[in-house]
Amino acid sequence: GENVGLHLPTLSVQEGDNSIINCAYSNSASDYFIWYKQESGKGPQFIIDIRSNMDKRQGQRVTVLLNKTVKHLSLQIAATQPGDSAVYFCAENMGWGKGFGNVLHCGSGTQVIVLP
Amino acid sequence: SQTIHQWPATLVQPVGSPLSLECTVEGTSNPNLYWYRQAAGRGLQLLFYSVGIGQISSEVPQNLSASRPQDRQFILSSKKLLLSDSGFYLCAWSFGADNQPQHFGDGTRLSIL
Repeated sequence: GENVGLHLPTLSVQEGDNSIINCAYSNSASDYFIWYKQESGKGPQFIIDIRSNMDKRQGQRVTVLLNKTVKHLSLQIAATQPGDSAVYFCAENMGWGKGFGNVLHCGSGTQVIVLP
Repeated sequence: SQTIHQWPATLVQPVGSPLSLECTVEGTSNPNLYWYRQAAGRGLQLLFYSVGIGQISSEVPQNLSASRPQDRQFILSSKKLLLSDSGFYLCAWSFGADNQPQHFGDGTRLSIL
């Protein structure tokens, strides 16, 4: 069935370096994707989203890239800081065909560890 | 701006006891509302969603139920908790339109003894 998943469970990155977190999806009809950051014991925090009519979207220190050909998206964090340590997961809008938008299917996440 | 509140933050309940978790949203009208469960190291499992007062859709069969008695209030309930109901429960809201991000509360850690 359709699946959204992450390639790497843990990513260790030196403070100040750039981080790249990857996500694969299998539903070619998906048209909306979201990246979330989740710190331990807290709820997921919205980072950035992208619609399928875009290849790239930039926010503050973050960039999301969408490659529809290979059904892959990535989150790039520039100049990673200690406060970026968290689990990051991508979510796919499964609302299409349900007559209801915004039902998300989420991957399990990548743990990002920022090293001093 | 919009805010979402969930309570309690942690809850320890015996097997067979009832459950009521509450979630409220402020700063918007007619939001879509959602209940998720998150197992340790796993993704989010959608339990229920609601597009309006009294309108509840269930994604998975279980001994949990949800209600939306007011526009910005979403309640997750159970009459008799099972050990397998332990987990991290998250409430979320989104605007009632397609392709909108969901915004989450800080969750309730539920432990069943």
